[in-house]
Amino acid sequence: DAMVIQNPRYQVTQFGKPVTLSCSQTLNHNVMYWYQQKSSQAPKLLFHYYDKDFNNEADTPDNFQSRRPNTSFCFLDIRSPGLGDAAMYLCATSRGAGDLYSNQPQHFGDGTRLSIL
Amino acid sequence: SQQGEEDPQALSIQEGENATMNCSYKTSINNLQWYRQNSGRGLVHLILIRSNEREKHSGRLRVTLDTSKKSSSLLITASRAADTASYFCATAFNTNAGKSTFGDGTTLTVKP
Repeated sequence: DAMVIQNPRYQVTQFGKPVTLSCSQTLNHNVMYWYQQKSSQAPKLLFHYYDKDFNNEADTPDNFQSRRPNTSFCFLDIRSPGLGDAAMYLCATSRGAGDLYSNQPQHFGDGTRLSIL
Repeated sequence: SQQGEEDPQALSIQEGENATMNCSYKTSINNLQWYRQNSGRGLVHLILIRSNEREKHSGRLRVTLDTSKKSSSLLITASRAADTASYFCATAFNTNAGKSTFGDGTTLTVKP
């Protein structure tokens, strides 16, 4: 089945130690999103790619970076994780359809739960 | 904030009953989507309703949209224990092509 896969499901890192989360998709969607979700809260969009075009949210900390080497893969890099970065990180994809690609449903992976020691 | 707001925050019902969740927003939208999230999992898309639509159905789900009141509702009929999850509305605003903003969700518990 076509899907969005996030690895690992659980990640533990030390305060200040860089960490990379990965996302892959077999849907061949050209839009990929990264969200941060804290307990009992809404998923918060960090950034998204439309093809290779990177779109950063204004309030996403500089500590968060992303790479998309090809259509299938997208990475979230947290350069110096702080305790406040402990959260579930969700990757999603959608099919771009021109300017208003928000009309397309998003397909989510099961997330990576990040803990900071 | 452009974020949609769900109401109630939590809802507990018996199996077989109907569950209704509401979402309100503040600015004009292009579309509104409803998602389900089971504990510890990703979100699953349920229904997308466009701004020019008033009602959509999918199985036991019924979504309505009232753009004059800037609100939407999700009705789950004949609920099952497996419907226990958090439900989020996501609004796509005309000025933010490509992005949907999620509300804080309604946590639904269906007791067997």
